[in-house]
Amino acid sequence: DAGVIQSPRHEVTEMGQEVTLRCKPISGHDYLFWYRQTMMRGLELLIYFNNNVPIDDSGMPEDRFSAKMPNASFSTLKIQPSEPRDSAVYFCASSLSGFQETQYFGPGTRLLVL
Amino acid sequence: GDSVTQMEGPVTLSEEAFLTINCTYTATGYPSLFWYVQYPGEGLQLLLKATKADDKGSNKGFEATYRKETTSFHLEKGSVQVSDSAVYFCALSDRYSSNTGKLIFGQGTTLQVKP
Repeated sequence: DAGVIQSPRHEVTEMGQEVTLRCKPISGHDYLFWYRQTMMRGLELLIYFNNNVPIDDSGMPEDRFSAKMPNASFSTLKIQPSEPRDSAVYFCASSLSGFQETQYFGPGTRLLVL
Repeated sequence: GDSVTQMEGPVTLSEEAFLTINCTYTATGYPSLFWYVQYPGEGLQLLLKATKADDKGSNKGFEATYRKETTSFHLEKGSVQVSDSAVYFCALSDRYSSNTGKLIFGQGTTLQVKP
């Protein structure tokens, strides 16, 4: 299996622009997670899905952030409008169902908002 | 609520030194416990896990034992290498949590190994 795939790997944009991050989970995995990592705040869970349904979005910082999972093999995280404080590495992860299961992380998207 | 606490970093060791990274947890139920490692520029990857009390997880020379009595899951390695330099995250998953499937992560501990 190719693992969790994220695109783009790097994104540089200007403040106010829309940014869309993409994730393809491992085939057959029921859970998908979006994380954000910064030096100041560490690793934060933004939102996660079970069988394409959002379960917990309490970590989404504000209305500028939205996430969708239209099918089992694709998810997006959108920031509109973007701000410099959104600069971070965004990770997508997926896992099989069950509380003992390992989460598999993608390589991340490094976002810089100027 | 559930939480994970790790020792503060960074931890700096010489090659072949013994490593311990402390991790303690708070959980309402019977959690599974994990150690993840993040190498520079990469995503997190599972290092080892334990799913019940007294289980020992091991991988690549690293070990951690699930201690229910002390609510701990300390990571150890007998002889570290420069290639072990990374950030290590302790995490738990609680079957009785309202958010089953979600991992609770500690803040991460940076390990730097010098030749």
